[in-house]
Amino acid sequence: DGGITQSPKYLFRKEGQNVTLSCEQNLNHDAMYWYRQDPGQGLRLIYYSQIVNDFQKGDIAEGYSVSREKKESFPLTVTSAQKNPTAFYLCASTTQGRGTDTQYFGPGTRLTVL
Amino acid sequence: SQQGEEDPQALSIQEGENATMNCSYKTSINNLQWYRQNSGRGLVHLILIRSNEREKHSGRLRVTLDTSKKSSSLLITASRAADTASYFCATDIYLNIQGAQKLVFGQGTRLTINP
Repeated sequence: DGGITQSPKYLFRKEGQNVTLSCEQNLNHDAMYWYRQDPGQGLRLIYYSQIVNDFQKGDIAEGYSVSREKKESFPLTVTSAQKNPTAFYLCASTTQGRGTDTQYFGPGTRLTVL
Repeated sequence: SQQGEEDPQALSIQEGENATMNCSYKTSINNLQWYRQNSGRGLVHLILIRSNEREKHSGRLRVTLDTSKKSSSLLITASRAADTASYFCATDIYLNIQGAQKLVFGQGTRLTINP
C-alpha cells in the first residue's frame, strides 16, 4: 500500500515533556508538511520541507522542531516550549511542493497534554 | 488572517438533496483545492481548479471559481449519508523562489446528511 502513515494515533504528554510524532511516506514525494488543527478550525502550517536535509518554518513554528534526514521521514518534535500543544497534528506530502500539487495527508495524531 | 473562509459553517440536509458550500478568499491565487475530512481523520483531496478555469466536474462534485469575486463553490449532487464530513477549501501561496507551495485552509463547512 502506498501512502502516508503517522504514529501514534493518540499521544498523551505531561507538561514539560518533549514528544516526537512520526510521519512516514512511501510515495516518493519530495515535499512534506506538518499542520496543526484545533477544534472547529482549519489547518495551520508548522514546518515544511521541500528536500532532504532542508526545512523551513511555517506560520506557527515556535515550540516545534523537525528533521528531514531521509526522504521518507519527517518527524515533528513538540517541545516543552510549546505552551498549548493539545491539538490534532496532520502530516502531508506532495510531489514537489508546487502550486498544482495535490497534498496527501496522513491519518493524524491527536496529542493531549495532561 | 484567514485566506479562505467557508460558508456556511454548518449545513444539514436530507439524503438525496444537493449541498452547496462556498469559499471566499482574499488574495490572488494560482489554484484552489477542495478537501474533505471525516471526523478525526486526515484530509482527502477532492478536486483542484486552476485560476483560469471557471468550472470543473468530478463525479457528483461540481466546483466553480469566480476570480473576480474571489470565491468558489462546491456542489455535491444527490447527497448520500456517506458524504457527511467537513469540507475545506485551500488556496496556494508560494513560499519561496524555488516554488514551494503553502496551502492556506479555511475553517471548513461541516456537512451532515440525514438519512
